[in-house]
Amino acid sequence: GQQVMQIPQYQHVQEGEDFTTYCNSSTTLSNIQWYKQRPGGHPVFLIQLVKSGEVKKQKRLTFQFGEAKKNSSLHITATQTTDVGTYFCAGPVGGGSNYKLTFGKGTLLTVNP
Amino acid sequence: GAVVSQHPSWVICKSGTSVKIECRSLDFQATTMFWYRQFPKKSLMLMATSNEGSKATYEQGVEKDKFLINHASLTLSTLTVTSAHPEDSSFYICSVSSGLAGNTIYFGEGSWLTVV
Repeated sequence: GQQVMQIPQYQHVQEGEDFTTYCNSSTTLSNIQWYKQRPGGHPVFLIQLVKSGEVKKQKRLTFQFGEAKKNSSLHITATQTTDVGTYFCAGPVGGGSNYKLTFGKGTLLTVNP
Repeated sequence: GAVVSQHPSWVICKSGTSVKIECRSLDFQATTMFWYRQFPKKSLMLMATSNEGSKATYEQGVEKDKFLINHASLTLSTLTVTSAHPEDSSFYICSVSSGLAGNTIYFGEGSWLTVV
């Protein structure tokens, strides 16, 4: 079945440093979604990328979708302590009533103030 | 975005008892809801897809008789952990699909289950 792999598993940075997490799918994706889960909280939707080569920005966060629609990345510029959490990518499997998301294992980001 | 309410947030139960977790879609009617399980510092594992008015679709390796799912209305799905054991202790999260293009998933707040 489809697999979504995410690296690194953990990343510790000093506040102000940049951070990047990478996501790779074993199959071509119709779209890719990113979620953030704060410690003790539930995953929250960040963004969805649909087009090949698409780049979207949310303030200090930059999301990219690869040309082949099999990989994606999330880059945070000048991290802040509020960026702490686990970032998950997710790709869809199936359609219609069989639609569901396959999640990567996530990247836990910790930021040292 | 969709608002998904999950109850209870925390529950402690004794081994051998059953626990019911509710998931409500507050913003719109959801024909499909999803139940995930998450161990500490681990990823989300899809347990089953809950379909309104029909049987849930379980993922491979998930025991249907142990994790009973009922989706009796378009706004409510329940997960019952039957004959709970300590190894069932986990974070259980429900979610609904937005139904929009791309089917964005919105998660409930999650329920921490501790079986003692």
